[in-house]
Amino acid sequence: GNSVTQMEGPVTLSEEAFLTINCTYTATGYPSLFWYVQYPGEGLQLLLKATKADDKGSNKGFEATYRKETTSFHLEKGSVQVSDSAVYFCALENQGGKLIFGQGTELSVKP
Amino acid sequence: SAVISQKPSRDICQRGTSLTIQCQVDSQVTMMFWYRQQPGQSLTLIATANQGSEATYESGFVIDKFPISRPNLTFSTLTVSNMSPEDSSIYLCSTESAGFFGYTFGSGTRLTVV
Repeated sequence: GNSVTQMEGPVTLSEEAFLTINCTYTATGYPSLFWYVQYPGEGLQLLLKATKADDKGSNKGFEATYRKETTSFHLEKGSVQVSDSAVYFCALENQGGKLIFGQGTELSVKP
Repeated sequence: SAVISQKPSRDICQRGTSLTIQCQVDSQVTMMFWYRQQPGQSLTLIATANQGSEATYESGFVIDKFPISRPNLTFSTLTVSNMSPEDSSIYLCSTESAGFFGYTFGSGTRLTVV
């Protein structure tokens, strides 16, 4: 079946460092892909999405490109801030609108 | 995109009791989804709820334990029945946003069973 694998955390970076969180997927066809963010004590917020191969999703300085050759959707940001500290989830849309999530990657940004 | 109001935001419950979680959407939506996030874990889909039909449960989840109601296109409830400490989790509802911007989530219900 379809699945999502994320790099394990926690990831600790200094402010203004470059961020990459790896996400790879296994799927039949080309499902929509998402990155969600969960700030401490809060629910999930959609960060960005891509619906087809080579699409680039972007929001708040974060970017991710749908790569069908490598079945990847890595999240990147050029310069992280302390306020970016959160748990990040990669997800794919399965049949019927159901989301399959990766295990989540905790990011901690130090000043 | 759709906005979901979920309540309660948190609760501490005695084992053997039940808790009903409510989600109200600010627009009419066809499908609503209920997820569970166990401590330190990812999200797992419990069931899909369509208005006017019984909910469809994922493997490992049963209606007797997690009954769901969907009385109209803007509202749904999930009940966690006969709770045990293993039910301590965050429960979230979700729906598809108009124009398919993505899937919107409620703020979650943090449940602790003692």
